[in-house]
Amino acid sequence: GDSVTQMEGPVTLSEEAFLTINCTYTATGYPSLFWYVQYPGEGLQLLLKATKADDKGSNKGFEATYRKETTSFHLEKGSVQVSDSAVYFCALSDPEGRNNNDMRFGAGTRLTVKP
Amino acid sequence: DAGVIQSPRHEVTEMGQEVTLRCKPISGHNSLFWYRQTMMRGLELLIYFNNNVPIDDSGMPEDRFSAKMPNASFSTLKIQPSEPRDSAVYFCASIPTGGSWETQYFGPGTRLLVL
Repeated sequence: GDSVTQMEGPVTLSEEAFLTINCTYTATGYPSLFWYVQYPGEGLQLLLKATKADDKGSNKGFEATYRKETTSFHLEKGSVQVSDSAVYFCALSDPEGRNNNDMRFGAGTRLTVKP
Repeated sequence: DAGVIQSPRHEVTEMGQEVTLRCKPISGHNSLFWYRQTMMRGLELLIYFNNNVPIDDSGMPEDRFSAKMPNASFSTLKIQPSEPRDSAVYFCASIPTGGSWETQYFGPGTRLLVL
């Protein structure tokens, strides 16, 4: 079935460092791809999304490009801040899934940014 | 708006005891989801309701788990009897009428520890 595999954490970076969190997917159809962020003590929030190949989602300085040829949707940020410390989840929504757009989440990657 | 409300925020219980987790979705949202988050398996969808009716409970791990939604503003997830392997963070999420799965509003979660 459809699934998402993301880079294992935890990831620890210094402030202003470059961030990449890898995500690859397996899907039979043409999924939409998402990154969610979970700040400490809170639920998940949608960070960005891309709905078709070569689309780039962006928000709060984060970017991810939907690469169909490599089935990837890697999350990047050029200069991280302490406030970016959170758990990041890659996810896909498959319109051909059993529940018509049910979401499949990766295991999450914990990012800690040190000052 | 208060957002999705979950209670309790933390629960510690002994193996064999009954555990009841509660969720109040955002007013006007007609779909509600229960997720379980563990280090090993990431975020898993357990069950979801649409207009108070369970639509898909295939993610419920076994008969020890049950979920109800007696009205549009309240849902429970019950584990009876609980086991140590049920220790996890349980999230409730809701989406507004006509909304898509990607715009789920997550609650802060209930952290359950079964000793």
